[in-house]
Amino acid sequence: GEDVEQSLFLSVREGDSSVINCTYTDSSSTYLYWYKQEPGAGLQLLTYIFSNMDMKQDQRLTVLLNKKDKHLSLRIADTQTGDSAIYFCAERGGDGGFKTIFGAGTRLFVKA
Amino acid sequence: EAGVVQSPRYKIIEKKQPVAFWCNPISGHNTLYWYLQNLGQGPELLIRYENEEAVDDSQLPKDRFSAERLKGVDSTLKIQPAELGDSAVYLCASSSPIAGGNEQFFGPGTRLTVL
Repeated sequence: GEDVEQSLFLSVREGDSSVINCTYTDSSSTYLYWYKQEPGAGLQLLTYIFSNMDMKQDQRLTVLLNKKDKHLSLRIADTQTGDSAIYFCAERGGDGGFKTIFGAGTRLFVKA
Repeated sequence: EAGVVQSPRYKIIEKKQPVAFWCNPISGHNTLYWYLQNLGQGPELLIRYENEEAVDDSQLPKDRFSAERLKGVDSTLKIQPAELGDSAVYLCASSSPIAGGNEQFFGPGTRLTVL
């Protein structure tokens, strides 16, 4: 079945850029998402990209998609302590439905 | 606009007891999802509703789990009887077909502890 994989941890210094990587297996994915989860809260959608796009930029966030390698990344510029959270990569399959598969999440630590 | 509301936020029960979780989606959102999130994992879909119809319940363990969305708005997820392995966070989310269903809005979740 479909699978989404992420590294578990990333630690950066405040002000540096963070890059969180994700790989997925469903070659017919239509949308790919990045969600953020803070302690005790639900998931919040940060950004998403259509599968026919290579890049999307939204303020401090840049998403890169390499569809050939099924690789998605999220770059956070000028990382702040408030960016410390768990970041989930997710993909929505191309079956015309709404099934979304989530990775296990990457925990981002931002050191002051 | 109010977000997705879930209650209770926390629940502690003994094994073999029943438990129920409630979700009120964002007004006007036809699609409602229940997810299970184990510690250190991403959410896994349990069931998806389009209005009052359960259109994907393939991952719902039907021997002990049940869900309903009688009027196509609020939803309840029930576990009877609960087992130790059911300890997790149960997330509810909703989306609107107007936006193509691209964004799911999540509630804060109910953290269940089974002793």
